[in-house]
Amino acid sequence: GQQLNQSPQSMFIQEGEDVSMNCTSSSIFNTWLWYKQDPGEGPVLLIALYKAGELTSNGRLTAQFGITRKDSFLNISASIPSDVGIYFCAGQREGAQKLVFGQGTRLTINP
Amino acid sequence: GAVVSQHPSRVICKSGTSVKIECRSLDFQATTMFWYRQFPKQSLMLMATSNEGSKATYEQGVEKDKFLINHASLTLSTLTVTSAHPEDSSFYICSASRTDTQYFGPGTRLTVL
Repeated sequence: GQQLNQSPQSMFIQEGEDVSMNCTSSSIFNTWLWYKQDPGEGPVLLIALYKAGELTSNGRLTAQFGITRKDSFLNISASIPSDVGIYFCAGQREGAQKLVFGQGTRLTINP
Repeated sequence: GAVVSQHPSRVICKSGTSVKIECRSLDFQATTMFWYRQFPKQSLMLMATSNEGSKATYEQGVEKDKFLINHASLTLSTLTVTSAHPEDSSFYICSASRTDTQYFGPGTRLTVL
């Protein structure tokens, strides 16, 4: 099925560094969501974006809904060991219940 | 709020047996629940959309007779993997929808011997 283009696929960073990842699509979405998945667990919702141009923060996390409605990014500032995991973006079209997922970004942090 | 549970968290069964996985929304009512399957190092693959009181809608390529879904109440959906085979081994995750936002359960690891 269709997937969003999420990049990078993996990141290896030092603790304390900032992280940036993004998702793009060839079609428009009305909602963008960012989830984090720890090994052996289900995804946990981090940030939900409902409006083009919207910039939303959740602690050290900041996400933006692109103006064109075809992209979104997630930034993590001052990374800490518990940020390790897989981050998924997901888009939802207007009136649709289903989510379209990105391939995920695997974040590894060296202490 | 928006807590979703799954039971069991892990199950090991013999080939040919059936396995039932429960998904519950603990602090909200969910008209719609979703069932996903996830292979190692891959993204989530939607299997079916489950609406309370009606038949589930299956994604293309998902056998409805193999993966039986029942959504009998606003807080419970079940997925039954019938006549399981080793290729059905996977991580199964459900989600429940509240105001169009999906909240995920912790997943169920199924291993078929």
